[in-house]
Amino acid sequence: GIQVEQSPPDLILQEGANSTLRCNFSDSVNNLQWFHQNPWGQLINLFYIPSGTKQNGRLSATTVATERYSLLYISSSQTTDSGVYFCAVEHNNAGNMLTFGGGTRLMVKP
Amino acid sequence: EPEVTQTPSHQVTQMGQEVILRCVPISNHLYFYWYRQILGQKVEFLVSFYNNEISEKSEIFDDQFSVERPDGSNFTLKIRSTKLEDSAMYFCASSLQGISNQPQHFGDGTRLSIL
Repeated sequence: GIQVEQSPPDLILQEGANSTLRCNFSDSVNNLQWFHQNPWGQLINLFYIPSGTKQNGRLSATTVATERYSLLYISSSQTTDSGVYFCAVEHNNAGNMLTFGGGTRLMVKP
Repeated sequence: EPEVTQTPSHQVTQMGQEVILRCVPISNHLYFYWYRQILGQKVEFLVSFYNNEISEKSEIFDDQFSVERPDGSNFTLKIRSTKLEDSAMYFCASSLQGISNQPQHFGDGTRLSIL
């Protein structure tokens, strides 16, 4: 099956700092989503981004499908950004399941 | 914005008992999914469901698991005889289409604790 690797696995930031989270995948994909899992365990959908660039407030994401990676940018981080960020992909010709990466655990300190 | 809703939010069950987790997908969605996340680990696909039948399932989804759409709104996951290792967060998701061009929308999850 497809492999999804996220880096870094852990990240500690001071409030106000910027960061870039990376998601590499081993084969072509139909779908790529970024999620934020908050401390209560909820999976919050951030972006549906199989290709191109999108922005939503302080967050933006870019997927370069031909090079098999996606980046999530967080600018001016806030303590409420803390949690785990997951990338998930839907592999071409492999049904409609999402395969999740291992996540990046982010802690933003005040 | 329409949401996927899951009940209960937390379920505590004795080992060996049957448990049913319930989900109400977004109303015009056609594809439904269950995922599982063991504490501290990544989210894993269990099963997808379309047109009243399973379309894909993972090796995790063995004979103790079953899914059903008992009416026009609910989608359920049944675990027949729970084991300690079934303790996890279970997420339901739905999408408008099953392949390409449509995101999956996730519910808030049911935390299942097996004692």
